[in-house]
Amino acid sequence: DVVMTQSPDSLAVSLGERATINCKSSQSVLYSSNNRDYFGWYQQKPGQPPKLLISSASTRESGVPDRFSGSGSGTDFTLTISSLQAEDVAVYYCQQYLSTPWTFGQGTKVEIK
Amino acid sequence: QVYLVESGGGVVQPGTSLRLSCAASGFTLSNCGMNWVRQAPGKGLEWVAVMSHDGSRVDYVDSVKGRFTISKENSKNTLYLQMNSLRQEDTAVYYCAKMKYCHGFSEPVDFWGQGTLVTVSS
Repeated sequence: DVVMTQSPDSLAVSLGERATINCKSSQSVLYSSNNRDYFGWYQQKPGQPPKLLISSASTRESGVPDRFSGSGSGTDFTLTISSLQAEDVAVYYCQQYLSTPWTFGQGTKVEIK
Repeated sequence: QVYLVESGGGVVQPGTSLRLSCAASGFTLSNCGMNWVRQAPGKGLEWVAVMSHDGSRVDYVDSVKGRFTISKENSKNTLYLQMNSLRQEDTAVYYCAKMKYCHGFSEPVDFWGQGTLVTVSS
C-alpha cells in the first residue's frame, strides 16, 4: 500500500499569512505513460464531508479560491494557502488514487493564531 | 446539481450485518464510478470500496475484503454497501462519493454525501 505522510499534524497561522502543508508518498504517484500525478488535496470543515480542492497535484477545482495552490510531483507535494482566511480553518487531507487501496494522509489541522 | 444521500446506518452488535444505501440525483449512477469512504469518530479518512461505472471493476481495502460488498441498482439510481460480520473497528461515518471523471477508475472524489453513522457495539 502507498503510505501518505503529512506534515505538520497541525499548524496555527495568523490571518493573512501563508500556510504550507506537505505530503510525502511512500511510492511515486506519477504515472509515466501520461505524466500525470494521481494526487489530490481535500478540505474538511467540522461536521461536513470533505471537499476536493486540488487534483492531479496542481489543478484547482472549480470554485476553489486562488489562494489555494498545489505543487510537487512524484512523491513530494505541497498545499499552500497564500493568505489564510477565517473560513480556511479546517483539516486538510492528501490522497493518492494511482493504485488501490486509495490512501489518505493522516490530516493537518489548520487554525488561526 | 449532484446530490448523494446515504441511509441505513445505526447501532448494531458485532458479527451482524447492515446495508447502507446512497441515493444519487443530478447524474446517472450507471454512467459513473463510485466509492465508499469511512471516517471513524475523531479520526481521518479511509477509503473502503470502489466500483467502476459499468460495474466491471470493484476493489476493497483489505480490512473489509470478504465481508463488504459494493453494488448498485441502476433503476433506482442507488449505490449500496452490504456489510457483513461487522466489527467494532468498522464503527465510522460512511460516505458515498462520486468519481470526478465518471468513466475513469483512478480518480479523485468530487462529490460526497453527508454520511451515515455506523456504530458496532455490544
